[in-house]
Amino acid sequence: EVQLVQSGAEVKKPGESLRISCKGSGYSFTSYWISWVRQMPGKGLEWMGRIDPSDSYTNYSPSFQGHVTISADKSISTAYLQWSSLKASDTAMYYCAKGFNYYDSSGYPLAFDYWGQGTLVTVSS
Amino acid sequence: EIVLTQSPGTLSLSPGERATLSCRASQSVSSNYLAWYQQKCGQAPRLLIYGASSRVTGIPDRFSGSGSGTDFTLTISRLEPEDFAVYYCQQYGTSPEYTFGQGTKLEIK
Repeated sequence: EVQLVQSGAEVKKPGESLRISCKGSGYSFTSYWISWVRQMPGKGLEWMGRIDPSDSYTNYSPSFQGHVTISADKSISTAYLQWSSLKASDTAMYYCAKGFNYYDSSGYPLAFDYWGQGTLVTVSS
Repeated sequence: EIVLTQSPGTLSLSPGERATLSCRASQSVSSNYLAWYQQKCGQAPRLLIYGASSRVTGIPDRFSGSGSGTDFTLTISRLEPEDFAVYYCQQYGTSPEYTFGQGTKLEIK
């Protein structure tokens, strides 16, 4: 069974750093891209960026480039989303999602078929 | 950046009725690049439809997708109680690679 299990909820202060995780199981972790998606309270879904776990190549949405860092450790089938200095506006639910086995001509996945349960990040002074 | 606009924002229907949800793109989207998700309260999204009209394995056949160019539709033929949720369309493009519509809330009338 494919599973993406995310780390637990976090409460942080503005300016603090944070890394949350997403551990994949039940499939070949290095064969599928992992994306991170933000959902602010009561709002819709925003794609943040993705990583190819086989070589840690990343793409970021322009809206998130420079604000977060996506990484992966293929030896433990885990992807990460990291902030160096949190802001109150980073308060949101964050999901990791596995690329679906349906690709464009360049080999990039066109959708997401499995999602983690979400990690709620609250940033408040 | 391609913007996806979903309508209506909220749709109030009764179980057994037919639901028609719209997703309009600001520029033409390849049909292969359009997907639909369902998100229930407190849960992660679930992929329903990819390539505009292909159902994911295990998704009931009351869910169907159609459309091309800038206009796409998700239809639920006969609503079941478990179908009441928020639905998002998503397209694949460039920078950002993935964009979502703002969602349609399907609520019980």
